[in-house]
Amino acid sequence: DTGVSQDPRHKITKRGQNVTFRCDPISEHNRLYWYRQTLGQGPEFLTYFQNEAQLEKSRLLSDRFSAERPKGSFSTLEIQRTEQGDSAMYLCALLKREMGNEQFFGPGTRLTVL
Amino acid sequence: AQTVTQSQPEMSVQEAETVTLSCTYDTSESDYYLFWYKQPPSRQMILVIRQEAYKQQNATENRFSVNFQKAAKSFSLKISDSQLGDAAMYFCAYRSWGTSGTYKYIFGTGTRLKVLA
Repeated sequence: DTGVSQDPRHKITKRGQNVTFRCDPISEHNRLYWYRQTLGQGPEFLTYFQNEAQLEKSRLLSDRFSAERPKGSFSTLEIQRTEQGDSAMYLCALLKREMGNEQFFGPGTRLTVL
Repeated sequence: AQTVTQSQPEMSVQEAETVTLSCTYDTSESDYYLFWYKQPPSRQMILVIRQEAYKQQNATENRFSVNFQKAAKSFSLKISDSQLGDAAMYFCAYRSWGTSGTYKYIFGTGTRLKVLA
């Protein structure tokens, strides 16, 4: 158990619909990452939070994507007007200082856009 | 920009044998970390081993060890006494500082390891 949960684990939606994913750290960690992983690829950085501040966003994060981390605890990632190209695994990861600043990943949310 | 390359999409190893997964990277930085992550089917990605670039000694974690060649920008993972539970996707990753003053990770495309009974 890495101390990171994600919900839902799977999401199937129709093109054009909005979806929201949630990442919940079991304990408080101030640094949180979102990644996207498509089939046959490694995780690609999407965005990063330090506490509630979103400090960095990848160019992969188009205007249809928005991420929040209110109160610096859980985080949400919303995709508006989904496209088939959004189909991927969305991973959340925490940076744990007490573990040598290592990243600990959640199980991911697998999104399928029909 | 940094890049990480894993040239072996798939590898197979007999149970109890040894296998080596390859990884090369490109960077102009001198201070960085390298990692191997394991992603079992439908399970969370977990850290296997890490190497600090300024350390010449290769990292070892039980049956897992690395061969870090800084000049050649090579970072291979050796798994000894392979077990069925080692079957997974293995990702090589590079860590440096991002523009926001935190760590930024770049992952390779992964190597799928099959362990044959």
